[in-house]
Amino acid sequence: DTGVSQDPRHKITKRGQNVTFRCDPISEHNRLYWYRQTLGQGPEFLTYFQNEAQLEKSRLLSDRFSAERPKGSFSTLEIQRTEQGDSAMYLCASSFSLAGGTDTQYFGPGTRLTVL
Amino acid sequence: QQQVKQSPQSLIVQKGGISIINCAYENTAFDYFPWYQQFPGKGPALLIAIRPDVSEKKEGRFTISFNKSAKQFSLHIMDSQPGDSATYFCAAPSKGGYQKVTFGTGTKLQVIP
Repeated sequence: DTGVSQDPRHKITKRGQNVTFRCDPISEHNRLYWYRQTLGQGPEFLTYFQNEAQLEKSRLLSDRFSAERPKGSFSTLEIQRTEQGDSAMYLCASSFSLAGGTDTQYFGPGTRLTVL
Repeated sequence: QQQVKQSPQSLIVQKGGISIINCAYENTAFDYFPWYQQFPGKGPALLIAIRPDVSEKKEGRFTISFNKSAKQFSLHIMDSQPGDSATYFCAAPSKGGYQKVTFGTGTKLQVIP
């Protein structure tokens, strides 16, 4: 068990460009979450997958953001036409649950995005 | 939207002292309250969590105290060490979505020798 991994760790891009981040959850974890964290704040929920189904999206996730989890394994988060306000740490977390209820989420190291 | 109020924003403690961080939450139908520890440049790591069929949970130097009627819970770090210097986040189940949690704003702890 190598934990949750994210790639890249850092991304610098110019405003208007598209970026894509990847998250590999802990193997056999059926739930996957994306969060955004800005300096001095706690992580803010963006979206959540149960297996390959995207079950919930935050209002923070504008039309420029899209997330996928094909085959219920790794996930990608794409930001189109990036804006300076998108600069943040993007965190992925995964968990395992057979039933409803809140379970323990394990976080990856994050992808630090800087939009110039 | 669940609100989680965390205090203090920052805390300086002498080595060997007790660090106390407090959180208050709003209504939730689900009871799972984790604390995460985050070092600079790293993702949050689960430190300790409580499902409050009990009012207290202890793991080593870390203790969660839970007051369900007051909707408050706290983290106590006993015998604080310089290696405990990090940012700590509490979290509470979010309203309307039992799979996710809402995080507090964080407490930056500095333990000085």
